[in-house]
Amino acid sequence: GAVVSQHPSWVICKSGTSVKIECRSLDFQATTMFWYRQFPKQSLMLMATSNEGSKATYEQGVEKDKFLINHASLTLSTLTVTSAHPEDSSFYICSASSHEAFFGQGTRLTVV
Amino acid sequence: DAKTTQPPSMDCAEGRAANLPCNHSTISGNEYVYWYRQIHSQGPQYIIHGLKNNETNEMASLIITEDRKSSTLILPHATLRDTAVYYCIVRVAIYNTDKLIFGTGTRLQVFP
Repeated sequence: GAVVSQHPSWVICKSGTSVKIECRSLDFQATTMFWYRQFPKQSLMLMATSNEGSKATYEQGVEKDKFLINHASLTLSTLTVTSAHPEDSSFYICSASSHEAFFGQGTRLTVV
Repeated sequence: DAKTTQPPSMDCAEGRAANLPCNHSTISGNEYVYWYRQIHSQGPQYIIHGLKNNETNEMASLIITEDRKSSTLILPHATLRDTAVYYCIVRVAIYNTDKLIFGTGTRLQVFP
């Protein structure tokens, strides 16, 4: 079946630094990908829709200047958490759709 | 907002059938019912989807009521590895760019 790969699986960074997370669709092209964030014991919260070749669409309350999304090709979207703070520590998950949505394995970000 | 409601948690004995209910009383005529599950610290995994007919695959069965206002996911012989959070989502399947909005899901605990 279709596979979405996310990298890295986990990352620890210092406050104030930036972290880039990659999401790749391995065997299909995805004009649209989605980024979610999940805090412990909570559900997935949609952050933004990543559109190939155009600007991302952010959900209400998500800072577009803090969470930079780039979708430069049909198989790759990146999420950059800029000037990370401890409250940005979370589980970040991407997805891409062919006929059903497939999800990456997630990236656990810890900001210290 | 999610268009589905699910019980927060359920228990099931190993080897028995797990029946997970979902209410989606405001579902539109062109919306499908999708089920995903999330095992701890992983990305969600697709299980099954349906429009109005009952569906079965190697993982589960999906029973949708005639009025389409509710559905039940059936895991016929639950194993310990089925312990996960199960999400019921409504989605217009023909648009592969349609975003998935997650509700709170049902935490299924399978016990020996």
